[in-house]
Amino acid sequence: GQNIDQPTEMTATEGAIVQINCTYQTSGFNGLFWYQQHAGEAPTFLSYNVLDGLEEKGRFSSFLSRSKGYSYLLLKELQMKDSASYLCASLGGGADGLTFGKGTHLIIQP
Amino acid sequence: SQTIHQWPATLVQPVGSPLSLECTVEGTSNPNLYWYRQAAGRGLQLLFYSVGIGQISSEVPQNLSASRPQDRQFILSSKKLLLSDSGFYLCAWSVQDTEAFFGQGTRLTVV
Repeated sequence: GQNIDQPTEMTATEGAIVQINCTYQTSGFNGLFWYQQHAGEAPTFLSYNVLDGLEEKGRFSSFLSRSKGYSYLLLKELQMKDSASYLCASLGGGADGLTFGKGTHLIIQP
Repeated sequence: SQTIHQWPATLVQPVGSPLSLECTVEGTSNPNLYWYRQAAGRGLQLLFYSVGIGQISSEVPQNLSASRPQDRQFILSSKKLLLSDSGFYLCAWSVQDTEAFFGQGTRLTVV
């Protein structure tokens, strides 16, 4: 089985930087994903980490530490449109599939 | 390019009625297929996962079932809906150990 934890809600200011943390416990591990979901819409893929370290993609970066079962998503130069839920997901081994955390609702204030 | 189709977009059904949601994928072969449910204000709950035709893993015991009659077709069904079945149902696909791509979702309201 898999267990994923992330904060329920975070608030940040436009133009600032925010880090959303995620911890996971899995029986097998084949990668850690981050998705963005706006209210009423399907999630869209942001990033994928399978090896330790930082993956940078424009304003968004994602970090993974497999030994600690820990990942974070870093959002820079925040914009109002970044207000959304951010979902951490772990791909387990075998028939476990892709399991999501409950998501972090990020609120951007002017 | 690959695309995923999920329908209908919205559905209102009475308690006790049957359900059938269909999802099809184009442009890829032997995808992994998923059904998720998202209740209001809650996270994505994995319902079913399939790695091939006729191969279905169920994550949560419930009154829902899934079938995969063809390689790129995934169907979510229920014989009798409950009020608690209301939610946002999402179909997704992936190839091996890569990111999953989601359909647009079906918003189901059981009344």
